[in-house]
Formats: sequence, C-alpha cells, structure tokens
Amino acid sequence: GAVVSQHPSRVICKSGTSVKIECRSLDFQATTMFWYRQFPKKSLMLMATSNEGSKATYEQGVEKDKFLINHASLTLSTLTVTSAHPEDSSFYICSARGASGMSQYFGPGTRLLVL
Amino acid sequence: KNQVEQSPQSLIILEGKNCTLQCNYTVSPFSNLRWYKQDTGRGPVSLTIMTFSENTKSNGRYTATLDADTKQSSLHITASQLSDSASYICVVTAHAGAGSYQLTFGKGTKLSVIP
Repeated sequence: GAVVSQHPSRVICKSGTSVKIECRSLDFQATTMFWYRQFPKKSLMLMATSNEGSKATYEQGVEKDKFLINHASLTLSTLTVTSAHPEDSSFYICSARGASGMSQYFGPGTRLLVL
Repeated sequence: KNQVEQSPQSLIILEGKNCTLQCNYTVSPFSNLRWYKQDTGRGPVSLTIMTFSENTKSNGRYTATLDADTKQSSLHITASQLSDSASYICVVTAHAGAGSYQLTFGKGTKLSVIP
C-alpha cells in the first residue's frame, strides 16, 4: 500500500511554544490530506481537511488560528500547533488521499507532549 | 446521521484461539468498508477493504465479511498471536458528492491476546 510518513514521531515542548508536524506522502500525490487527533483510549477525531493549494476546512470546535494547516504541495502538509498548552498533548495522525478518492492512507502518528 | 458501532469494546483471548469482531453501520450512500489495525502509539494500518459487491476478503489470518443488506461486517482472526494485540477499527466511507468521500470511524475493539 501507499506510504505516508510523519515527522517528528514524538515531540516534547514547553507551554507557549509552537510545534510543527510534517506529513508526507512518499509514493503518490495526495490531493487531500486529513489531520486527526486521538486522546488515550479514544477514537480518532477529524480536525481538518486540506486540499492542495487551498485553505483547510476545519471541523466544528477546532480553532483554525491555533492549528495552522498548510498543504502547499501534493506530497506535503504541515500542522502547526501554536502557543501549545498541556491540554494540546495528544496523538496527532495525518492521512492522505490520492486523486482517485477512495483509498486513504494513514501516517504513523506524532506524539505531542506539552509541559 | 452516519454511525459506525463496534462490538465488543474490548476482548481478551488466549494465544492460538480465534475471535470475531463486529461492526454495524448506518452510513449512506455506502462506498466501502475498511478494517484497520492500530497498535498502541502508532497510526492505523489497513487490513482489508470491501466494496458493496464483496462479501468476504482475506488477508492472511484476517478474514472480513460484509453483508450490505443488513449493514454488518465482521473481522475474524484465526490462530491469534501475541502481536495481534491492538485496537481494530472499522471505517465506513460514504460518497459525499462531487467526487468527495466522508469517513466514519468506529470506536474500535481493543483486543488483548495473552499467552
């Protein structure tokens, strides 16, 4: 299957700092990328959907000014958690979908811990 | 409202035994159904994908079934191994118009295989 990578795999930061997470599709062009958040023992929750070259669409309750998403190319999307707080500590997972639309591939996730 | 319900929430089985996980959905219009395996602290990995016309799909020791009439799916794991311990997530994709798709996630079944 297609490969999606995320970097970093885990990050620890101080409260108030910003953290950038990268999501790359390694062997296909991802016209759409999705960002999810998963709290311990909970299911994945969609945060936002981004199409290459356009602004992301955020789910209800997700602050777009806090979670900045950039999808500047067909193989890279970034999620920046601005002014991170301890409650932002979570597991962030991206997924990517190609032009065919049906298959969606998940990255390995990034564990964020805000102290 | 599109919904995906999985049962049981958690399951403990002895190594070598078989088990079956259930997924009921009310997603419409249906496009496909995927079973994912998510190891702790990792992103989901696709096990099987089935479209409307497919009744069963196997991937090694994993066999998924789909009954599109009753909107039920099952994932059968044969001869379980310790490495099968993970959360198994049922994800149903619906057509959302204009070539776009919407994913609805189940909350997952946490499987623990013990020696």
